[in-house]
Amino acid sequence: GDSVTQMEGPVTLSEEAFLTINCTYTATGYPSLFWYVQYPGEGLQLLLKATKADDKGSNKGFEATYRKETTSFHLEKGSVQVSDSAVYFCASQVGFQKLVFGTGTRLLVSP
Amino acid sequence: GAVVSQHPSWVICKSGTSVKIECRSLDFQATTMFWYRQFPKQSLMLMATSNEGSKATYEQGVEKDKFLINHASLTLSTLTVTSAHPEDSSFYICSAKGTASYNEQFFGPGTRLTVL
Repeated sequence: GDSVTQMEGPVTLSEEAFLTINCTYTATGYPSLFWYVQYPGEGLQLLLKATKADDKGSNKGFEATYRKETTSFHLEKGSVQVSDSAVYFCASQVGFQKLVFGTGTRLLVSP
Repeated sequence: GAVVSQHPSWVICKSGTSVKIECRSLDFQATTMFWYRQFPKQSLMLMATSNEGSKATYEQGVEKDKFLINHASLTLSTLTVTSAHPEDSSFYICSAKGTASYNEQFFGPGTRLTVL
């Protein structure tokens, strides 16, 4: 079945450091790819998405590029802030089928 | 943005009792609601999908008689864990989507259930 694998956390960074959270997927069809963020005490929020190969999703300084050749959708940010501390989930979805989530990666940013 | 709430945010109950969790869409009509379960350090796993006024569709391996889902209105879905046991302890998350949001799901904050 379809699956999403993302790096285990926690990822601990200092403020203004560069962030990469790796995500790879397997899918029987042609999926759309998503990054969700969950701040403490809140629900998952859609951070960005990409629907086809070579698309780049971006939002709030975060970026991820849909790489079909490597089946990856790595999340990056050039300069993280303390307020970016949260849990980040990578997910895939083929058409209107169910969302398939990775295990989540906790990011901790210190001042 | 679209807001989904869950109540309660956490609940502790005794083994053998039933627990009801509510999921509400606060500012939109949710034609479809989803219930997920998340164990520590694991993915969110879809339990069931419910459309307003219809019976829920359960994922393989989810006991429909144990996890009762009702979606009686366009703003409310409930999940009842019947005869709860310690192995049912988990984090339960709902999401909802409406006709205006195309295929995007909006997530609630989750409910932590602990069964003693």
